[in-house]
Amino acid sequence: DTEVTQTPKHLVMGMTNKKSLKCEQHMGHRAMYWYKQKAKKPPELMFVYSYEKLSINESVPSRFSPECPNSSLLNLHLHALQPEDSALYLCASSQGSRGADTQYFGPGTRLTVL
Amino acid sequence: GENVEQHPSTLSVQEGDSAVIKCTYSDSASNYFPWYKQELGKRPQLIIDIRSNVGEKKDQRIAVTLNKTAKHFSLHITETQPEDSAVYFCAASYNYGQNFVFGPGTRLSVLP
Repeated sequence: DTEVTQTPKHLVMGMTNKKSLKCEQHMGHRAMYWYKQKAKKPPELMFVYSYEKLSINESVPSRFSPECPNSSLLNLHLHALQPEDSALYLCASSQGSRGADTQYFGPGTRLTVL
Repeated sequence: GENVEQHPSTLSVQEGDSAVIKCTYSDSASNYFPWYKQELGKRPQLIIDIRSNVGEKKDQRIAVTLNKTAKHFSLHITETQPEDSAVYFCAASYNYGQNFVFGPGTRLSVLP
């Protein structure tokens, strides 16, 4: 399997809801990433997990909570989001070792916060 | 931190012509420079990349050049086709790719 998969494809939630985004890869990659992408903008890094440990948190508000249950799975838990959090959320993975830093992206979850 | 600039922001070319997109980066520690193509509503897809120990890399119609001294790298697409129309992002990274910063993107339109 050479793909990164993400579920759901689309998500609409209210500001009081709790939801989770899921990402999965079976390429044996040990680094996984969450990005946020607004329309006509580049992806912005949110979190990095390396060997299942959170290694980078780019000052993301606490209403976004990442989780890496194992080396193949990455979740993003959402709670009390704001309308400005509406965006495409992309997951990516890489081998996570020197010289093997190519990131492969999933198709994304398009999130709308009402 | 790293800052990546990208020019032009939009580019229109006639089918069959060449397209060149240029990026500059600020952090001399960056050692990996990928280029991604993103079609509307789709994921960014890697099209070519280059590491700091290489000056040029080519893959069919696509080539990337890197000038470490000047801290800039460029994407060259020859014999453009309508399916090359998309947004192209350059990026710079170090720390095994974990510090990954994208340029603002170039919207390429190939006119038939």
